[in-house]
Amino acid sequence: QVQLQESGPGLVKPSQTLSLTCTVSGGSISSGDYYWSWIRQPPGKGLEWIGYIYYSGSTYYNPSLKSRVTISVDTSKNQFSLKLSSVTAADTAVYYCVSELKMGSSPSHSFDYWGQGTLVTVSS
Amino acid sequence: DIQMTQSPSSLSASVGDRVTITCQASQDISNYLNWYQQKPGKAPKLLIYDASNLETGVPSRFSGSGSGTDFTFTISSLQPEDIATYYCQQYDNLPPAFGQGTRLEIK
Repeated sequence: QVQLQESGPGLVKPSQTLSLTCTVSGGSISSGDYYWSWIRQPPGKGLEWIGYIYYSGSTYYNPSLKSRVTISVDTSKNQFSLKLSSVTAADTAVYYCVSELKMGSSPSHSFDYWGQGTLVTVSS
Repeated sequence: DIQMTQSPSSLSASVGDRVTITCQASQDISNYLNWYQQKPGKAPKLLIYDASNLETGVPSRFSGSGSGTDFTFTISSLQPEDIATYYCQQYDNLPPAFGQGTRLEIK
């Protein structure tokens, strides 16, 4: 069973770049069986999908965040990462790394395995 | 982008009650709809995919139905452990989008 664990700073200053890493265990990112996504949830609010990456490096980002988001993968470490630039208080949220099965040649967009989530607060 | 609207936003019911949550899409999404359960302080859990298919291991008291723009999630007999917030999510078009959630409480 796939397990995911987020890591990274819990506090980021406004205008700086938020950086998080997700370590995958119980399976290899390089297997190609999954796409790997980031989803966030502001405190007390709903869920927002940020984007996904495939082990090959192929990505797709939510247009609402596309100009500020970069998702990358390191298959040698079995990790994928999120960078979100020019953050503001509105980016304060619990960030989840998530897997979604590959269906045919595309992601399923059914999010089956989730990390525990990490709270990132944007504040000076 | 497709917008997902859930109702009600919160709901209080008694143990054993039948509970129904609705989710409406801003355009036809066929049956490309999931339902998730999120307990306090935890990550969401996928319960139902393709509008009506139960994920492995999910109790049979949970069910889903609908297609097109209107969908329903039902708990046939509410249990204390069902206290959670429930979200619908469309995956017909990118980006995948979630409803705003329905908070379920026990009376």
